[in-house]
Amino acid sequence: DAGITQSPRHKVTETGTPVTLRCHQTENHRYMYWYRQDPGHGLRLIHYSYGVKDTDKGEVSDGYSVSRSKTEDFLLTLESATSSQTSVYFCAISDGVGGEEGYTFGSGTRLTVV
Amino acid sequence: SQKIEQNSEALNIQEGKTATLTCNYTNYSPAYLQWYRQDPGRGPVFLLLIRENEKEKRKERLKVTFDTTLKQSLFHITASQPADSATYLCALDSNTGNQFYFGTGTSLTVIP
Repeated sequence: DAGITQSPRHKVTETGTPVTLRCHQTENHRYMYWYRQDPGHGLRLIHYSYGVKDTDKGEVSDGYSVSRSKTEDFLLTLESATSSQTSVYFCAISDGVGGEEGYTFGSGTRLTVV
Repeated sequence: SQKIEQNSEALNIQEGKTATLTCNYTNYSPAYLQWYRQDPGRGPVFLLLIRENEKEKRKERLKVTFDTTLKQSLFHITASQPADSATYLCALDSNTGNQFYFGTGTSLTVIP
């Protein structure tokens, strides 16, 4: 997706290992979000950021941490991966909360914890 | 807690017909409602936003209505085409302005 990239696209990891997913934007948008998408649950917000070093929790933040040291990068870390964290993770950006432009999503990272 | 419901069953319609998708919500009053399209293996793509004081919004072949009394939004695609086949998600703001809550989506297939 233009202006936002996620890496890696796919990852398989073992239970108990740390994992970091990266979201990079070139749009200079203030807000960045991490969502997970699971069958039957839709997209659920994990954490979001409203500026450099400014982050807050979403509805499913347990087991996850985030960091934003630069406007363009938002990292999601699973400190000790569990099988329940197997999911597709999406990063999103927006220029303003509730803006007319909506969110721009990345292509997602498919994470499998074995 | 707030709950968002979209048609859980897949919707199949004939090309050229109007597709109507439903988004119902309970337990809160969002100020904004968004609709997204998602194709397999891809992230959602923003289509339309409608505010609580707007009854209807249009964009090309798309029309969205927002009935705050019924707590419902309808999403219409007129003159549907096979290329419209995708999953459509609705999302409602949290009232705190910090996030949107997403429904699970409705899968639409337009049959040629």
